[in-house]
Amino acid sequence: EPEVTQTPSHQVTQMGQEVILRCVPISNHLYFYWYRQILGQKVEFLVSFYNNEISEKSEIFDDQFSVERPDGSNFTLKIRSTKLEDSAMYFCASSEIAEFGEQYFGPGTRLTVT
Amino acid sequence: QKEVEQDPGPLSVPEGAIVSLNCTYSNSAFQYFMWYRQYSRKGPELLMYTYSSGNKEDGRFTAQVDKSSKYISLFIRDSQPSDSATYLCACAGGTSYGKLTFGQGTILTVHP
Repeated sequence: EPEVTQTPSHQVTQMGQEVILRCVPISNHLYFYWYRQILGQKVEFLVSFYNNEISEKSEIFDDQFSVERPDGSNFTLKIRSTKLEDSAMYFCASSEIAEFGEQYFGPGTRLTVT
Repeated sequence: QKEVEQDPGPLSVPEGAIVSLNCTYSNSAFQYFMWYRQYSRKGPELLMYTYSSGNKEDGRFTAQVDKSSKYISLFIRDSQPSDSATYLCACAGGTSYGKLTFGQGTILTVHP
């Protein structure tokens, strides 16, 4: 069964460093998303991406964040200068056709900023 | 007012019990409603996806949506210890491009 994959599973970085979180969405999916979940809190939407453009972003997704689809299979989230409060689980998700299609989530990357 | 509210529990039931999980939402534009299951330190796994009001059944799981009262439910029949997880409701709709708004999640334990 096709699934969303994410690497790395755990990333430790120092405050101020840049990190890139990588995702491989399900191959025939066209809509891509990033969410985050701070420990003990809700899953929060960050950004949606379609046709090589950001469709929507939340207030959390400020200038420190960027997304890219560098090739036909990968989808990345870059945080330019990490802060302590960026420590969270980051989930990538994808859906097949419609923007409200069923979203399938990856296993997540746990980001720890020290 | 939070857009999607969910009682975090925890909820503990014996094996074989019928489990009822619920969420309320405030945004009238929501039209799509989902239930996800999340095991500890794992990604959310899609269980049920419904559009607008009504019921949807899949095996032991039934999802109900009542848009008039802005209330969504998930019922689990014949619950098993393997159903022990956090259950997340999520809503979408309006002008957002696929943005899911999640509830807090309900922690469920099914004991043998």
